[in-house]
Amino acid sequence: ETGVTQSPTHLIKTRGQQVTLRCSSQSGHNTVSWYQQALGQGPQFIFQYYREEENGRGNFPPRFSGLQFPNYSSELNVNALELDDSALYLCASSYRTGLAYEQYFGPGTRLTVT
Amino acid sequence: QQQVKQSPQSLIVQKGGISIINCAYENTAFDYFPWYQQFPGKGPALLIAIRPDVSEKKEGRFTISFNKSAKQFSLHIMDSQPGDSATYFCAAARGNTGNQFYFGTGTSLTVIP
Repeated sequence: ETGVTQSPTHLIKTRGQQVTLRCSSQSGHNTVSWYQQALGQGPQFIFQYYREEENGRGNFPPRFSGLQFPNYSSELNVNALELDDSALYLCASSYRTGLAYEQYFGPGTRLTVT
Repeated sequence: QQQVKQSPQSLIVQKGGISIINCAYENTAFDYFPWYQQFPGKGPALLIAIRPDVSEKKEGRFTISFNKSAKQFSLHIMDSQPGDSATYFCAAARGNTGNQFYFGTGTSLTVIP
């Protein structure tokens, strides 16, 4: 069974630029959630995708957007980067059936905005 | 507003001792409470989880105690080992709203040999 993978591992961007982060779900999973984890904090929910549709969104501005593809992989796009966007971005996958809960996290992408 | 409050922020325990981490929540709609373990440079790994229809769940050295009336739950690590040194996060979720997880702020556990 393949776990959740994310790319790239690390990324350095300049304020105002745009970034795309990628996530491959665990085999058999159809739901992907994205989280932002600032240093020393718990993960904060950005949004979730189920069957290629956004299925819930946290308190993040519209410049955070996403996609889910037919193979259930996903992208997180952040436009107009700000210094406060520097964080570890985590992707979590799960299999949604009824009240599915268990989310499995990838290793994350460390984004630094200068 | 922090949906899930976690304490302590850091914890130092002797090898073989019991580590206890506490969490509290306000939203009674939460119906799933997992604990995650995170090592530096890694993503959180699911340790153990509980639903509010039981008061305790044990898996190996890890036990969740759940107090529905007090809206509190805790993680107990028995016979703590140096390899348990990591950051632990509690979380809470509502099953009917897309499974958004609300995480605590984390507890850094150090187990001294």
